[in-house]
Amino acid sequence: NAGVTQTPKFRVLKTGQSMTLLCAQDMNHEYMYWYRQDPGMGLRLIHYSVGEGTTAKGEVPDGYNVSRLKKQNFLLGLESAAPSQTSVYFCASRFATSQYFGPGTRLLVL
Amino acid sequence: GENVEQHPSTLSVQEGDSAVIKCTYSDSASNYFPWYKQELGKRPQLIIDIRSNVGEKKDQRIAVTLNKTAKHFSLHITETQPEDSAVYFCAASREDTGRRALTFGSGTRLQVQP
Repeated sequence: NAGVTQTPKFRVLKTGQSMTLLCAQDMNHEYMYWYRQDPGMGLRLIHYSVGEGTTAKGEVPDGYNVSRLKKQNFLLGLESAAPSQTSVYFCASRFATSQYFGPGTRLLVL
Repeated sequence: GENVEQHPSTLSVQEGDSAVIKCTYSDSASNYFPWYKQELGKRPQLIIDIRSNVGEKKDQRIAVTLNKTAKHFSLHITETQPEDSAVYFCAASREDTGRRALTFGSGTRLQVQP
């Protein structure tokens, strides 16, 4: 039981490049979330999913897209990376009221 | 939408003292309030939570209190130890909606001096 995992752990992108962050959970949770964490700020919700095949926007969705084709995976895409997207990205899944976070992906956009 | 404010942003205490972190929320319909601890470079970890039908909850050295009328909740850590040093986040959510996503405060960096 690996819990929530994220791939990659760290990535450097140039402005305009694209990439996909993968979140995987093996706990059969329905709800999954993507947050970003910036210095001096709490975690802010980017997108979320309440089940396989469904996604919805959070507080800061601009510049990101997501997909939930399989229940265990929640993908976060950046089509054209910008320096403002430099951040630490955390994925989480949820059971009952508890959210379980992945280890995070540190993204640097130059 | 919900807005959660957290104070103080930094807190330094001596080992053995108590620490209190306070949060206020704006949406009176919020009914779930967890607290997370995040050590440097690590993921946030849930340490305690409280629902709106409860005024106080304790777990060993940590406790959370909730005042629904004033829309604020607090984390209390007693007999602090150096390993309590971390960033603490409060959060709020509505458990009666489809989203059930957390809105986080901006965090409190707690430093416990040996």
